[in-house]
Amino acid sequence: AQKITQTQPGMFVQEKEAVTLDCTYDTSDQSYGLFWYKQPSSGEMIFLIYQGSYDEQNATEGRYSLNFQKARKSANLVISASQLGDSAMYFCAMREYLTGKLIFGQGTTLQVKP
Amino acid sequence: DTAVSQTPKYLVTQMGNDKSIKCEQNLGHDTMYWYKQDSKKFLKIMFSYNNKELIINETVPNRFSPKSPDKAHLNLHINSLELGDSAVYFCASSLGPRSTEAFFGQGTRLTVV
Repeated sequence: AQKITQTQPGMFVQEKEAVTLDCTYDTSDQSYGLFWYKQPSSGEMIFLIYQGSYDEQNATEGRYSLNFQKARKSANLVISASQLGDSAMYFCAMREYLTGKLIFGQGTTLQVKP
Repeated sequence: DTAVSQTPKYLVTQMGNDKSIKCEQNLGHDTMYWYKQDSKKFLKIMFSYNNKELIINETVPNRFSPKSPDKAHLNLHINSLELGDSAVYFCASSLGPRSTEAFFGQGTRLTVV
């Protein structure tokens, strides 16, 4: 069965430092996609970054990068130079190839300290 | 311009009522979804439509009925609301079922009293 696991319910990081949010996945599909979303306290879901299973390079989008380790089935999100506005809940998700549905992890709450 | 918009943002209603949530996307996407986020923040897919055809129907009570009048709209109708239906409902869209992006609406917080 497809599964996404985020083992860190909550994380703290000092402003301007980098932080890594962990995500591991389980799938028997050869082709799949991995997503990260940010959910601030206002509630909307903001798409951050995508990594395809066949992409050889790690995805980057501004201060966000995805540390993709296929053999370990991990897709960690790295946020560089944390800002106060990064405080939010972060969700890792995997796209199931056949149906296209997103399977979400439990989420990690990140708090950035000034 | 909001890419994926849902209305209403908040919905408070009594048990037993019937209610609808509307969703529209102006991205020209072919695929639309409904997700439910429970009180523990867990997100789970409910339905997916591709080109107005239902392609995903998870184990959702048949009191929930999605309707897609065209590719840009996916509405969710809920009959005989129950207390356990209280949640945040998110509409989302993507170019196709295997797109590299999926955009969410702002969510509809449904409270059943």
